[in-house]
Order: sequence, then structure tokens, then C-alpha cells
Amino acid sequence: EAGVTQSPTHLIKTRGQQATLRCSPISGHTSVYWYQQALGLGLQFLLWYDEGEERNRGNFPPRFSGRQFPNYSSELNVNALELEDSALYLCASSLRPTYEQYFGPGTRLTVT
Amino acid sequence: AQSVTQPDIHITVSEGASLELRCNYSYGATPYLFWYVQSPGQGLQLLLKYFSGDTLVQGIKGFEAEFKRSQSSFNLRKPSVHWSDAAEYFCAVGAQGDTGRRALTFGSGTRLQVQP
Repeated sequence: EAGVTQSPTHLIKTRGQQATLRCSPISGHTSVYWYQQALGLGLQFLLWYDEGEERNRGNFPPRFSGRQFPNYSSELNVNALELEDSALYLCASSLRPTYEQYFGPGTRLTVT
Repeated sequence: AQSVTQPDIHITVSEGASLELRCNYSYGATPYLFWYVQSPGQGLQLLLKYFSGDTLVQGIKGFEAEFKRSQSSFNLRKPSVHWSDAAEYFCAVGAQGDTGRRALTFGSGTRLQVQP
């Protein structure tokens, strides 16, 4: 069974630009979660999508947004990039809304 | 709000030696508890989970963890460490009563180094 996949693996952007990160959940999983792993800040919850709706968001500004598509894949958008947005962005999925979450390999975003 | 503390930032053990990684949590009720492992440049792999019932849980790769309510701990153990176990280990907690959030709270991680 294929795991959670994320693309791209690496993304380099300039300050002020927009970044789009993509995630495909495990087949049959309906919930998708996004986490940020920044140096010195640890793993922080960003967003949770279930059945196409945003269910919860962490303590991040509105320029972090996303959506979930009918096939349950998800997209994370980060607008007006700042240097401190440089981090590993991890996507996770679960069979239903639950804390048992399975993670993908992540997208390394570098903002210069 | 819940929180997780991993007191050891870095641990070095010899290959074949036993391992115990510490995790303490703060939460008013019984939490959901998890251990994840992250190899360099990789995502997180779920090692094991505790939801309820038997307080000693078995996971993948020969790992186990014991939930001790009285100590608010969920320590990860392995009887004999292999060189391939070198990685960063994260303890995480989910709040049972907070079904509207589903946000895992992670500890800061423990980096395990294995000496030959």
C-alpha cells in the first residue's frame, strides 16, 4: 500500500513569492493534516482538512492556507513568503478524523 | 492545553545495548500517546501508539513503550539497539476530549546516536 506522498521534495523561493505544496493521502484516508518543522521551533500543527473542509488550524497567520480536493489530496499555499517560513512541511493522513496520523516524507521549503 | 517534554536532547548508546528514551506529558485526562521516528531528511514513521487498555504497548522494529499514569510518562524502550536505529525520536500526545482539533502536540525530540 502506497504511503502519503508529497511534492515537490524541495522548493526554493524568494521572499515575497508564493509557494504551493501538494500532498496525496494514503488510499482510503479522508483526513489530511499539515505540520511545519522549522529549525529551533519543532513540529507545529498547521491545518487539518476532512471531507473537503478545513476543520482546524494552528497558530499561523492567514497567509498559510490550503484546500482539500474531492479525491482527498491537499494543497498548502503560503503567500508573501518570509525567511522564517523556511522549514520542512509534513503532510499526514488518517483513515478518519483521528490522532493516528501517518506522515509523508515532507517538502523542504527554502526562502531566500 | 497539553504539552510534551523529552528531557534528553541527545543520547549515545553502543550497538547491542538497551535503550530507553524518556517522554513526559501534561494533560488533564488520559491522553492518546505516540512515538514517531525520523531519519535524516525523512518524514515521520509511527513506531507505536497508546489509546487505552494494556499500558505496555508493542511497536514496530522491536520497540515498546509503557504508559505510567502516576508519572505522566510514556518511555520508549528497546532491548538491543541496532546501528540502523540512529535517528531522531519524537513523542506526541493527542487530547482525547478534544475531538474538534485533532492536532498532535510533539516533544522537541531526542537524537539517538549508535556507536559500533
